[in-house]
Amino acid sequence: EAGVAQSPRYKIIEKRQSVAFWCNPISGHATLYWYQQILGQGPKLLIQFQNNGVVDDSQLPKDRFSAERLKGVDSTLKIQPAKLEDSAVYLCASSPRGGRATEAFFGQGTRLTVV
Amino acid sequence: AQSVTQLDSQVPVFEEAPVELRCNYSSSVSVYLFWYVQYPNQGLQLLLKYLSGSTLVKGINGFEAEFNKSQTSFHLRKPSVHISDTAEYFCAVSIPMNNDMRFGAGTRLTVKP
Repeated sequence: EAGVAQSPRYKIIEKRQSVAFWCNPISGHATLYWYQQILGQGPKLLIQFQNNGVVDDSQLPKDRFSAERLKGVDSTLKIQPAKLEDSAVYLCASSPRGGRATEAFFGQGTRLTVV
Repeated sequence: AQSVTQLDSQVPVFEEAPVELRCNYSSSVSVYLFWYVQYPNQGLQLLLKYLSGSTLVKGINGFEAEFNKSQTSFHLRKPSVHISDTAEYFCAVSIPMNNDMRFGAGTRLTVKP
């Protein structure tokens, strides 16, 4: 079974530029998460999708961050414009069933550096 | 919302010694509990999980954890660690009905020879 795929693995941009990250979850997984992991901290949930609907985006900075999940499969997370404090690893995860999270499967993440 | 506190940010230990990584959670409803491990430049890998049933949960790589509802804890243990166990360990909690998974700040386990 293929795992959660993320791209790119690394990205360096200047502040005020835009950036987008892509995630392909495990086939058939209903729930998709985006987490932000700042160096030395635990992952912080940014947004959670159930199929193509948003379940929780309470911690997403909506003035600069946006995310979508097309047709309930792939997802894209965008930052526009980026700030220095957005430097972090962005983790995508998926979970096999809607309504009951028995576990989340993680991709390798995208390391973003904003200079 | 539920939350997790990992009581130790760093735990140094010698090889073959036992280790315990502490985790406490807060929630007004029943929860699922998880421990994940993260090796450098990699994503998170599930070590073990508690969903229901026996409070002692065994996972991969010789790790186990015990769910204690009265103390709202889910401490991770291993009787004898190896150099290869050096990594960051995260405790996580989720609410079964909404898949909302929250993580602690992590504990860096360093195993020394």
